[in-house]
Amino acid sequence: DAKTTQPTSMDCAEGRAANLPCNHSTISGNEYVYWYRQIHSQGPQYIIHGLKNNETNEMASLIITEDRKSSTLILPHATLRDTAVYYCIVGSSNTGKLIFGQGTTLQVKP
Amino acid sequence: GAGVSQSPSNKVTEKGKDVELRCDPISGHTALYWYRQRLGQGLEFLIYFQGNSAPDKSGLPSDRFSAERTGESVSTLTIQRTQQEDSAVYLCASSSLAGGTDTQYFGPGTRLTVL
Repeated sequence: DAKTTQPTSMDCAEGRAANLPCNHSTISGNEYVYWYRQIHSQGPQYIIHGLKNNETNEMASLIITEDRKSSTLILPHATLRDTAVYYCIVGSSNTGKLIFGQGTTLQVKP
Repeated sequence: GAGVSQSPSNKVTEKGKDVELRCDPISGHTALYWYRQRLGQGLEFLIYFQGNSAPDKSGLPSDRFSAERTGESVSTLTIQRTQQEDSAVYLCASSSLAGGTDTQYFGPGTRLTVL
């Protein structure tokens, strides 16, 4: 599985957009980009995934660069409840597992 | 529908005792995964089931750890002769593998404390 690189921590003001970057320069053609988050003392929560096109759902938007070597997760209007560790993962259904790195700790501040 | 459930939510045991952790996946999900998360650490993959077979057991840390799954239903993770370093949150996830993707849905975890 390709490795990902994320900043260790980020702050965001409540109500503003949170833009979380991820580098995955060794991603291969059949690997998806997944984003999960883990709020303190809970299991990881699926947010969004994509292959090459940008994706949007009720939680977030995922912007993947044309060369697929990096992506950005966008939380359009961050709230205090969005404070969590955000994990960017690349993988395919062939591997059967997700490799979680250290993620980005997002602190949303009032 | 119901999500992934795990039991017990908390387990405290003495060193050397055996423990069983249970996972009930989302109905219809063929794939099931176990992960471990030590305090302040990221998730470590333990084992993956496709149906009731385990094509990837590479993450099991020792032969004290084993897991089984009944059909495409409940899974049990067993830790024999527990050690203090086994203390962690054990997380289960399931996936339908629909559309070639592997979106995994996690349960709340079992917090294991070995005294």
